[in-house]
Amino acid sequence: QVQLQESGPGLVKPSETLSLSCTVSGDSITSDYWSWIRQPPGKRPEWIGYIYYTGSTNFNPSLKSRVTISVDTSKNQFSLKLTSLTAADTAVYYCARGRDSHYDRWGQGILVTVSS
Amino acid sequence: DIQMTQSPSTLSASVGDRVIITCRASQSIGTWLAWYQQKLGKAPKLLIYKASNLESGVPSRFSGSGSGTEFTLTISRLQPDDFATYYCQQYNSYSTFGQGTKVEAK
Repeated sequence: QVQLQESGPGLVKPSETLSLSCTVSGDSITSDYWSWIRQPPGKRPEWIGYIYYTGSTNFNPSLKSRVTISVDTSKNQFSLKLTSLTAADTAVYYCARGRDSHYDRWGQGILVTVSS
Repeated sequence: DIQMTQSPSTLSASVGDRVIITCRASQSIGTWLAWYQQKLGKAPKLLIYKASNLESGVPSRFSGSGSGTEFTLTISRLQPDDFATYYCQQYNSYSTFGQGTKVEAK
């Protein structure tokens, strides 16, 4: 049974950089593509970007200039960095299995609040 | 960006009812569409992929249909566990979600 678990800070200051990690268990991270998706409170989910174990990435054009996604195959983990944060980046951040495709496995999500 | 619009935004129904949710795409997406169920405080759960394929373990009362720009999710007989918010998602070009349909108890 594949499981994903997000980790990182729950509170970040405006203008700072958000760093989150997703640890995959029950499957090798080399087996598929892996995405980050976020959902502001009360709103629809928004795809952020995906990575393959080779390091190949693709990002939502609306966030591309601020996003980095990386992978660590030795830890079966992938990570998200989002720079220049504002209140509009407050959301639940999910990691999920899939690319620009359907997502069949999701982490439980981590609420990130951007506030001073 | 491909815009996804669901209707209705809220739906009131009773256990045993047949429920139909519609999703429209701003341009043709073939059958590159998925449906998810989300309960409060939980991650979305995949129900249907490629417009009409039932995800493993999902009850057969859920079904999906459509192609091009118009899609539907049908719950044949609503069960107590089905009260939730439902989202469609296109993945023909990047990935975008509809605004959601909340199914609430009448």
